[in-house]
Amino acid sequence: GQNIDQPTEMTATEGAIVQINCTYQTSGFNGLFWYQQHAGEAPTFLSYNVLDGLEEKGRFSSFLSRSKGYSYLLLKELQMKDSASYLCAVMDSNYQLIWGAGTKLIIKP
Amino acid sequence: IAGITQAPTSQILAAGRRMTLRCTQDMRHNAMYWYRQDLGLGLRLIHYSNTAGTTGKGEVPDGYSVSRANTDDFPLTLASAVPSQTSVYFCASSERAGGTDTQYFGPGTRLTAL
Repeated sequence: GQNIDQPTEMTATEGAIVQINCTYQTSGFNGLFWYQQHAGEAPTFLSYNVLDGLEEKGRFSSFLSRSKGYSYLLLKELQMKDSASYLCAVMDSNYQLIWGAGTKLIIKP
Repeated sequence: IAGITQAPTSQILAAGRRMTLRCTQDMRHNAMYWYRQDLGLGLRLIHYSNTAGTTGKGEVPDGYSVSRANTDDFPLTLASAVPSQTSVYFCASSERAGGTDTQYFGPGTRLTAL
């Protein structure tokens, strides 16, 4: 079966750094996406990785290791507005997205 | 309008009733998708459409039907609502099907089936 695992909830302090991990087992791999979802809102695209390594985009970075079936999202200089759920999704061999349940990130002042 | 719109925003529906959730996009995207999101679970694909005139089944299609008469609209119909269909429904679109294009999501419809 196909499986995406990520922690259910994490807590971090404003101004700090947090790393959200995602491990996956899927039938084929055509890239990994990270989305942000604020409570009661739609998911919005953050990043896409298809090759191994780190992609940096402002305060957010995303890392991929295909051999380990592993990715992480790194958020720096945390702000209160970063309180949200972060969804990891893998595109499988049929080009369908398989989604993790999401990690709820709580930012404390 | 810009992006994807969904209607209604929320709905309470008696079991056994028929309901159509509407989705419209103005980005001229070829591919469209319907997902449901339940607490503790990842988004699950219900149906998809790679281009106008074609549709396909996703992971959880039972009890739902879709149509794609034109590029912009992708309605989802519940033929006879059951309580297990209580969920938040998201419509999404991407420029191409079968590729790795980003999916853009509508604001969602919160459906309660009693």
